[in-house]
Amino acid sequence: GQNIDQPTEMTATEGAIVQINCTYQTSGFNGLFWYQQHAGEAPTFLSYNVLDGLEEKGRFSSFLSRSKGYSYLLLKELQMKDSASYLCAAMDSNYQLIWGAGTKLIIKP
Amino acid sequence: IAGITQAPTSQILAAGRRMTLRCTQDMRHNAMYWYRQDLGLGLRLIHYSNTAGTTGKGEVPDGYSVSRANTDDFPLTLASAVPSQTSVYFCASSDSTSGSGELFFGEGSRLTVL
Repeated sequence: GQNIDQPTEMTATEGAIVQINCTYQTSGFNGLFWYQQHAGEAPTFLSYNVLDGLEEKGRFSSFLSRSKGYSYLLLKELQMKDSASYLCAAMDSNYQLIWGAGTKLIIKP
Repeated sequence: IAGITQAPTSQILAAGRRMTLRCTQDMRHNAMYWYRQDLGLGLRLIHYSNTAGTTGKGEVPDGYSVSRANTDDFPLTLASAVPSQTSVYFCASSDSTSGSGELFFGEGSRLTVL
């Protein structure tokens, strides 16, 4: 079956760095997405990886290893506004998104 | 209107009633989607439409129907609501039916079925 695993909750300190991991198993693969979702709001797009390696976008970076079925989202210089859920989603061979349950990130001062 | 608009934002509904959640986008995206989001679960696809005039079933289509008469509108109908359909519903769109099409989400419709 198709499956996405990511930690349920993580805690980090303001100004620090945190890495949120995601492992996936899909029928075929057409890319890995990360979305941010603040409580009570809609998910918003953060990143898309389809090739192995690291994609950097400001304070956020996303990494993909297709051979390992593994991705991570790296958040640097954490700010209180980064407190949110981070959703990992893999696109299968039919271009359908398989979603993880999300990682709730709690930032402490 | 900018982006995707959903209505209503929130609704309490008696079991057995019919309900339509509205979704309108002004980005001229070809693909549209309806998801439900429940605590502890990932977003689950209910129905989708790759282009106006066509629709398809997602992971959890039972009890729901959709139509796509034009590019902008993609309503979701619950013919006879049941308590298990209590959820937050998100409509989304993308400008590509394949590849790296980023999803744009509406603000969600919180539905409670009693």
